[in-house]
Amino acid sequence: KAGVTQTPRYLIKTRGQQVTLSCSPISGHRSVSWYQQTPGQGLQFLFEYFSETQRNKGNFPGRFSGRQFSNSRSEMNVSTLELGDSALYLCASSLDGPGGGYTFGSGTRLTVV
Amino acid sequence: DAKTTQPTSMDCAEGRAANLPCNHSTISGNEYVYWYRQIHSQGPQYIIHGLKNNETNEMASLIITEDRKSSTLILPHATLRDTAVYYCIVRGWRPTGTASKLTFGTGTRLQVTL
Repeated sequence: KAGVTQTPRYLIKTRGQQVTLSCSPISGHRSVSWYQQTPGQGLQFLFEYFSETQRNKGNFPGRFSGRQFSNSRSEMNVSTLELGDSALYLCASSLDGPGGGYTFGSGTRLTVV
Repeated sequence: DAKTTQPTSMDCAEGRAANLPCNHSTISGNEYVYWYRQIHSQGPQYIIHGLKNNETNEMASLIITEDRKSSTLILPHATLRDTAVYYCIVRGWRPTGTASKLTFGTGTRLQVTL
């Protein structure tokens, strides 16, 4: 079956711009989470969605937002980009409940210049 | 959420069992133990999880102590491809369906050598 698909794979943006990243979960998976990974901070949790509702949120500023659609696809948006937002953004999906492990996508590499 | 403590790094000879410990002394009754690994430049990969019983799958075994304050991930016959950062995470699930965050710590860097 198809895995978690993230688009685009690479992105270069200028400071002050905004960006939208997309994530298509595995078919049947209704839980989607987003993570930011940088060499200095490791894997940082951004937010988790289930059935179009944000279930958990990490400690990121309000410039980071997300949403989930009725087909479980998810998007995250970063407004007013800063240099420090350069990172690998990973999306993961799972069946809901304790029995499901997350399957991660390959990520979107965002570079802010 | 319960916090976990893992050694920063470990070495293991190829073909031998790799035993990765994790301490989660403040774990509560509704929290499960999950293990993931991340091979360089790839997204994390789910390995195994458990609540209180020992678990085994095609990748690994998970041994949870009776008091649930610690656990050990066992890779029975480590290969060079098992070189990765291994994360031990606890996550709570409530009967209402709500869940705590799946938060990654710094993990254990396992180096498998010839």
